[in-house]
Amino acid sequence: GAVVSQHPSWVICKSGTSVKIECRSLDFQATTMFWYRQFPKQSLMLMATSNEGSKATYEQGVEKDKFLINHASLTLSTLTVTSAHPEDSSFYICSARRGINYGYTFGSGTRLTVV
Amino acid sequence: AQSVSQHNHHVILSEAASLELGCNYSYGGTVNLFWYVQYPGQHLQLLLKYFSGDPLVKGIKGFEAEFIKSKFSFNLRKPSVQWSDTAEYFCAVNSFQKLVFGTGTRLLVSP
Repeated sequence: GAVVSQHPSWVICKSGTSVKIECRSLDFQATTMFWYRQFPKQSLMLMATSNEGSKATYEQGVEKDKFLINHASLTLSTLTVTSAHPEDSSFYICSARRGINYGYTFGSGTRLTVV
Repeated sequence: AQSVSQHNHHVILSEAASLELGCNYSYGGTVNLFWYVQYPGQHLQLLLKYFSGDPLVKGIKGFEAEFIKSKFSFNLRKPSVQWSDTAEYFCAVNSFQKLVFGTGTRLLVSP
């Protein structure tokens, strides 16, 4: 159990366009999901905590208008990179947790390339 | 803010060698501790976790980790590594409902 599906796995877009990434918990409900960014050869950096039915909580230094997060249901959170630029190219990963006594389950990640 | 340090960035071992990867965290309050593994081209997978109880935690694939509260450490160990253990290993600490990752250790096991 505890499977998180992330889509798409990779995307190439032009500068100035927006890209939406979906994160779904397939077999459990997640009131909270998390979005991370992983730069090459670096660790995962938490971008924001996505709360179902309310606004996301962003980490310091993350532009909330740039990275729009919506958590419309207990099984779906989306991250939209708006007006993407080449420096937004990265590996984006979502995760969800079944409950406080469980570990975090990660999606397979989305590699975004902005050209 | 919580921070996690992994001192070994790259480790190269021969098969059957013993492994110990260091992990230290900064905040001394109640924490949950995790080790994740990322095999080449795959997503993060949970190796083991510590919430409470026995500080020696056993995980999958023969891995174990020991929580030493006085040292703020949660080192990962495996007595005999295999070629298939080649991967990147991340220590993570959950505090204040946020998961903070270390910088990762890239392990290469040569056959």
